[in-house]
Amino acid sequence: AQSVSQHNHHVILSEAASLELGCNYSYGGTVNLFWYVQYPGQHLQLLLKYFSGDPLVKGIKGFEAEFIKSKFSFNLRKPSVQWSDTAEYFCAVNAGDYKLSFGAGTTVTVRA
Amino acid sequence: GAVVSQHPSRVICKSGTSVKIECRSLDFQATTMFWYRQFPKQSLMLMATSNEGSKATYEQGVEKDKFLINHASLTLSTLTVTSAHPEDSSFYICSAEDSPLQHFGDGTRLSIL
Repeated sequence: AQSVSQHNHHVILSEAASLELGCNYSYGGTVNLFWYVQYPGQHLQLLLKYFSGDPLVKGIKGFEAEFIKSKFSFNLRKPSVQWSDTAEYFCAVNAGDYKLSFGAGTTVTVRA
Repeated sequence: GAVVSQHPSRVICKSGTSVKIECRSLDFQATTMFWYRQFPKQSLMLMATSNEGSKATYEQGVEKDKFLINHASLTLSTLTVTSAHPEDSSFYICSAEDSPLQHFGDGTRLSIL
C-alpha cells in the first residue's frame, strides 16, 4: 500500500512570502497525485492534480506543483501568499484504483 | 462544479445510540463513494468504499458491523455508526467519485457523550 509523507506540520509566514510544502510518497508504480486545500469550516477542495504529461502542474489560486519521479515527490509552491491562503493543505496519492491515501496535512498560517 | 452534500454537519448523542450520516451527490451520479475518518491533527483515513448496489468494501481494522454502509442509489450513500461509544467521536467525511476525481462533503462532527 502506498503512503504519503508531508514534511511540515505547521508553517507560519507573512503575506507576500513564498510557500513550498513538501510531499513524498512511497509507491513504485504509476500514481496519480493531488493537492487538496481545506479552508476553515469548509470541505476539501482540489487545488491541482497530476496524472501524466508535464510534471509542472498549475492549479487554482496561483498554486503549482512539481512531480519529480526520481524523488517520489510532489511539492506544492506558491510564489507570493495571501492572508486568504490560511488553510490546511493535504497531499494525496492514488494508484489508479481511486482510493486516495492522504498525507497528515500541513497547516499554513499567513500573517497579514 | 460537482457538489456533495453531507448531513448532518454535527451530531451529539448519548453512548449506545446509533447515528446515520448521509452523503449525496447533488449534480452527478456516483457509483462509488468513500467514507473517511479524520482525527484531530491527523490525516483522513479511508474507512470503506461504498459501491452502489453491492456490499461496501472495508479497510483493514474497520468493523463492518459497527459502521454500516448502504449505497442504495447512484446519488446517496449512508454511514450508520451503530451503538456509538465515546471512542467513535470523530470527524467523518464522505466523497463521491466523479472519475477520475473525488468530490468531498463538508464532513460530520460526531460527538458521543
